[in-house]
Amino acid sequence: AQSVSQHNHHVILSEAASLELGCNYSYGGTVNLFWYVQYPGQHLQLLLKYFSGDPLVKGIKGFEAEFIKSKFSFNLRKPSVQWSDTAEYFCAVNARSGGYQKVTFGIGTKLQVIP
Amino acid sequence: EAGVAQSPRYKIIEKRQSVAFWCNPISGHATLYWYQQILGQGPKLLIQFQNNGVVDDSQLPKDRFSAERLKGVDSTLKIQPAKLEDSAVYLCASSLDGYRDFEKLFFGSGTQLSVL
Repeated sequence: AQSVSQHNHHVILSEAASLELGCNYSYGGTVNLFWYVQYPGQHLQLLLKYFSGDPLVKGIKGFEAEFIKSKFSFNLRKPSVQWSDTAEYFCAVNARSGGYQKVTFGIGTKLQVIP
Repeated sequence: EAGVAQSPRYKIIEKRQSVAFWCNPISGHATLYWYQQILGQGPKLLIQFQNNGVVDDSQLPKDRFSAERLKGVDSTLKIQPAKLEDSAVYLCASSLDGYRDFEKLFFGSGTQLSVL
């Protein structure tokens, strides 16, 4: 069975600071990787995804993530955060189980950006 | 496009009572998921439907939780009887086809359940 670990549970940054949120997964086969975001008062939504090819993927709002297969990692980055990036971020792994796709989420990281 | 609809938004009950949640997925989405999100934790999959059939309910506490998806569209999740530890947000999500790769999930706003 797959699992996901997120290392930072609560991060506080000032505007314009750089962001990196760690995510490691455990699964022996091929995986698809996602970052989902939940802004205050809103529902979970997709931020970016990796399936194959270029391990550096770009998502909405200037976010990017790098898949490092040897490290089983999929860290989320943004060079300069804004107050509007305040949200909770979830790393997720999608692996095939019994023919269908099963999505497992990490515990989440709450990001607070201070103006 | 219309999103995933869930109701009620909030529910407060006493332990040992029963409660039901309703979900209407995005039109045309074959796969429907119920997740439980306890405060401070990530969403945990309770049950996954493909059309009206169950493909995964390995983490559903079947002695008290039940779910159905009649006609492969709407779904209800029921808890009977509720325990204090069931206090959580119950999220419904849908995707076009959970048997395909690359599928992203569309989430509803969730139902926040408090068991007193």
